[in-house]
Formats: sequence, C-alpha cells, structure tokens
Amino acid sequence: GEDVEQSLFLSVREGDSSVINCTYTDSSSTYLYWYKQEPGAGLQLLTYIFSNMDMKQDQRLTVLLNKKDKHLSLRIADTQTGDSAIYFCAEINNQGGKLIFGQGTELSVKP
Amino acid sequence: DVKVTQSSRYLVKRTGEKVFLECVQDMDHENMFWYRQDPGLGLRLIYFSYDVKMKEKGDIPEGYSVSREKKERFSLILESASTNQTSMYLCASTPGGANTGELFFGEGSRLTVL
Repeated sequence: GEDVEQSLFLSVREGDSSVINCTYTDSSSTYLYWYKQEPGAGLQLLTYIFSNMDMKQDQRLTVLLNKKDKHLSLRIADTQTGDSAIYFCAEINNQGGKLIFGQGTELSVKP
Repeated sequence: DVKVTQSSRYLVKRTGEKVFLECVQDMDHENMFWYRQDPGLGLRLIYFSYDVKMKEKGDIPEGYSVSREKKERFSLILESASTNQTSMYLCASTPGGANTGELFFGEGSRLTVL
C-alpha cells in the first residue's frame, strides 16, 4: 500500500533555516500536505502543493516537490521557538480519497 | 472559524470498560474521521464517514466501532477497552470536494486504559 516516510527528529538553532523531508510511494498522489501539531493540540494545515507544481512559497515557508523522486520538503526560514512542533507530511490520491500521513518530525528550536 | 470539539481531553478507564469518545463539528461538513496517534507511528485511520448513518473502516478498525446519527456528530466507541488502546485519539472533518485533504482537527482525547 501507499507509504509516507519522515525522519522523527530535527533540532535547529533559532534564526537558522529548518528543512523537513518526506518521501512517499504513491505515484498517483494529487495533493501533498504539511500539517503542524503544537504541544497538546490537534493538527493544523500549514500548506499544501498540487502534484503538478515544483515549488510553493508562503511567507517563511517553502515547499519543494520532486515528483520523479517522490520527495517533498518543507523549509522554514528564520526558525523561531514558536515553530517547535511536530510536522506531518501527508498525501492523497484520486482513487481512495483518504489522507496517508507520515510518522511526523518533531522540530526542536533552541535559543 | 471551523470548530471541531472533542468532548474529553483526558480519560482514564479500566480494562474491559466501554468508552465513548464524542466529536462535534459546527461547519456542516460531510466527512468525518477518527484517527489514533502514537509516537513514531504517525496518524492511523480507524473509521470514517462520508454521510449520516454511513461508516467505512479505516486501516485499524479492530476493537472500535462508530456512530453517526447526526451530520455534526461522530462518535468512537471502544466496546471493551484494552491497554493497547491507550493512545491519543483525534477527530477531524472536511467539507469534501476536490481537495479532501484539508482536514480540520479537534484538540484530541488522550485515553489511558489501566
């Protein structure tokens, strides 16, 4: 079945850029998503990219999609302590209509 | 703003007890979902519903059932709780349409089964 993989932890210093990576197996993905989960809260949609796009930028966030390698990344510029959270990558295809989530990457931002 | 409300943030139950987790959304969304979240495993889909009185099994339905008697309410039921059901449970909803991956989540219900 479809699979989405992420590394579990990332630690950066405040002010640096963070890059969170994700790989997926489903070649028929239509949309790919990044969700953020702050401590003690549910998930919140951060951004998404349609599968025919290579890049999407939204303020400090840049999403890069390499469809050939099935690789998605989320870059956070000028990372702040408030960015400390778990970030989930997810994909959906046009057949099942269900979201498949990665394991989540816990981002720790040190002052 | 869309609001998805889960009735209990923290519950402690004993093995064998029946457990109800309630979820209500206020934006007339068609689709509702129950996930469980465990460290290192991400979110796994338990059950989902695309309409009132309709339910579909997700990836890990064993030991769970659901009820959707009204459009705004989706309940998760553990008929006989077991310790391996200790987890964070997340409810979500979406209006459907082309981009059905835009889920709105509740804050979660952390269940401990002793």
